Amino acid sequence: DTAVSQTPKYLVTQMGNDKSIKCEQNLGHDTMYWYKQDSKKFLKIMFSYNNKELIINETVPNRFSPKSPDKAHLNLHINSLELGDSAVYFCASSQAAGSNQPQHFGDGTRLSIL
Amino acid sequence: AQSVTQLDSQVPVFEEAPVELRCNYSSSVSVYLFWYVQYPNQGLQLLLKYLSGSTLVESINGFEAEFNKSQTSFHLRKPSVHISDTAEYFCAVMTTGSYQLTFGKGTKLSVIP
Repeated sequence: DTAVSQTPKYLVTQMGNDKSIKCEQNLGHDTMYWYKQDSKKFLKIMFSYNNKELIINETVPNRFSPKSPDKAHLNLHINSLELGDSAVYFCASSQAAGSNQPQHFGDGTRLSIL
Repeated sequence: AQSVTQLDSQVPVFEEAPVELRCNYSSSVSVYLFWYVQYPNQGLQLLLKYLSGSTLVESINGFEAEFNKSQTSFHLRKPSVHISDTAEYFCAVMTTGSYQLTFGKGTKLSVIP
C-alpha cells in the first residue's frame, strides 16, 4: 500500500539516450511534484502539477518534460541524457497546491549516466 | 522569495547525548515550517511541522522543534539520540498561499556508539 511509488528505483544508461521515470500516488492528492537531489544532497523543485495542470516550472532544460495523464500520475521524460543529469529524482504529492499540508515523497529514482 | 539556511552541514554526536539541528528561514510573509528526515537510500519522510498555534511541535520519536518568529528560526532538538537517528535532516519552508516548498541544504546527523 505504498503511498507514492516511483519506477524504476535505479536507472543506469548512456549519454544521449532518452529515458522516462514514472510516478503514481494513491493518496487522492491533487498536486504532484518532481525534485532533483544532487550529489551534495541539495533538493531542488523541478515541476509541479495541480489536477493535471502545470503550476511550477523551474529553470530546467527543455530536455526534461513532465506529463500528467491524470492527477494520480506524474511521469518525467528526459531526452538526450547528459552526465550532469546524474542525480536522485524524487516524486512527491500533496493534498492541494497552496495548502499547508505536507508533501509525501517517493523513495527516489537513482539515475546514473555513463 | 523565501529561503532556508541550515547552519551545520554535519553534526556528529554520541549516543544518548542531546542534539540540536539549526534552521533559519527568510520570508516577508507568514510561513509554514517542516522538518523532513532522509534515511540512507530512502525518500524523505515528514518528521514534524509547524502550521499555526503552539510554537513547540513534537514528533512521535522524541524530536521537537520550536518556531521562533522573532529569530526566524525552527531548530530541531532531541534530548537523547539513538543510533537509528543517523540520517540527513532537511528543514523546509512554505509561504502561505504558495505552491512551493523550499528546502535547506540538509544536516547530516551521525550518532556515534
